[in-house]
Amino acid sequence: QKEVEQNSGPLSVPEGAIASLNCTYSDRGSQSFFWYRQYSGKSPELIMSIYSNGDKEDGRFTAQLNKASQYVSLLIRDSQPSDSATYLCAVNKGNTGKLIFGQGTTLQVKP
Amino acid sequence: NAGVTQTPKFQVLKTGQSMTLQCAQDMNHNSMYWYRQDPGMGLRLIYYSASEGTTDKGEVPNGYNVSRLNKREFSLRLESAAPSQTSVYFCASSEARRRGYFGPGTRLTVT
Repeated sequence: QKEVEQNSGPLSVPEGAIASLNCTYSDRGSQSFFWYRQYSGKSPELIMSIYSNGDKEDGRFTAQLNKASQYVSLLIRDSQPSDSATYLCAVNKGNTGKLIFGQGTTLQVKP
Repeated sequence: NAGVTQTPKFQVLKTGQSMTLQCAQDMNHNSMYWYRQDPGMGLRLIYYSASEGTTDKGEVPNGYNVSRLNKREFSLRLESAAPSQTSVYFCASSEARRRGYFGPGTRLTVT
């Protein structure tokens, strides 16, 4: 079992819809959680970070964390074609500090 | 303020050749990482350094060695390259348990 798991997709949504991306992790000691966006041929760029249970909103993006269920999600409201990319979930392992990534979910937003 | 820099950007090696990928950061971060990215595999951690003088294996360390020369620099060495090491390599840095900042990547092809 991978330490951080995502559905690789592709996830296809129409323009203007809500895209929901999910991630589970195995290390209960994990303390920091991140969502990165990566366009083809580019480096990952940070979209959201979340450190405590609940929701965190930033513009069209909302990150949700549930440590009891070991689950973190990203919601993208009013999806745009420019949101089409691979979204990577990353978890900082509590005892080692290592930053571990899931395999990424490819999002396609269709005009 | 250049952030995280990597050299070279592209490299072609023959099987059995050796090379060193260089990474430097100017953000005074303690933690540095080397990842490889293959299609559909997300980012897989090769090696991690929590501070100057310390290194730790990640998920896929076989065939690689690293050196944390000082706080700024973290190099990755392939002693005897194999076609299975064809990949895109990313270096990253962070403060402990905070977001990672990524370099532009090195595209390595081993023939």
